[in-house]
Amino acid sequence: EDKVVQSPLSLVVHEGDTVTLNCSYEVTNFRSLLWYKQEKKAPTFLFMLTSSGIEKKSGRLSSILDKKELFSILNITATQTGDSAVYLCALFMIKAAGNKLTFGGGTRVLVKP
Amino acid sequence: DTEVTQTPKHLVMGMTNKKSLKCEQHMGHRAMYWYKQKAKKPPELMFVYSYEKLSINESVPSRFSPECPNSSLLNLHLHALQPEDSALYLCASSPAGSYETQYFGPGTRLLVL
Repeated sequence: EDKVVQSPLSLVVHEGDTVTLNCSYEVTNFRSLLWYKQEKKAPTFLFMLTSSGIEKKSGRLSSILDKKELFSILNITATQTGDSAVYLCALFMIKAAGNKLTFGGGTRVLVKP
Repeated sequence: DTEVTQTPKHLVMGMTNKKSLKCEQHMGHRAMYWYKQKAKKPPELMFVYSYEKLSINESVPSRFSPECPNSSLLNLHLHALQPEDSALYLCASSPAGSYETQYFGPGTRLLVL
C-alpha cells in the first residue's frame, strides 16, 4: 500500500528559528512530490519536485527530494508568525485507475513571537 | 483571474435536505477535483473530472453526486447526508498536461445535523 508519512506531527518554534519538515514515502511509482501550505482553508502550492538532489528555493523556504532514501525535506529559515500553518506533502501518482495526489498527514507548525 | 471560487462558504443541512456545492474557475483548466477534508486530516480525493468527463470516483457513496456542466464549473449535489459527512469540501483545478499542479479553492465548510 502506498504511504506518505510526515514528521513531526507538530512543532512549536519562536520567530527567527529554522524548521525542517520531513516527508517520507513508500510509493512504487510517482511523477512528482509537492509541498503545500494550509492556513485556515485552501492549501496553497509551495514546491513541486521531480528530480532527486536539486534544491528548490523560494525566499526563506527551500525543499529537496532524495529518491534514493525516499524522502523530501522542507526548510523554513528565519521563521515568522505568518509561517504558522499546516504543511502538507503530496505525491502525484500514476495509476491505471487514474492519476492523483495522495497527501501525507501534515505537520502543524506554530511560530510564536 | 487566477483563483478557484467556491460557494457557499458555509452550509448547514439536515439529513433529509438536498443541497449543492458550486466551484468555478476561469483559468482555462481542463481538470477539476473534489476533495473532502476532516478536521486535522489531509484532503482526501473524491472525484476527478477531465475535459468535463468523470475520470476518477474514489468509491464515494451515491449520496454525493458530482456534475461538470462546462469546463469552468463543477458542482457537488448532496442528498440524504449523514452527520459523519460534515467536513471541509475543497475544489481544485489544474491545467491539462500538468495535473499535479492543482489550485485549490477556499472550500465549503459543511455541517450535517
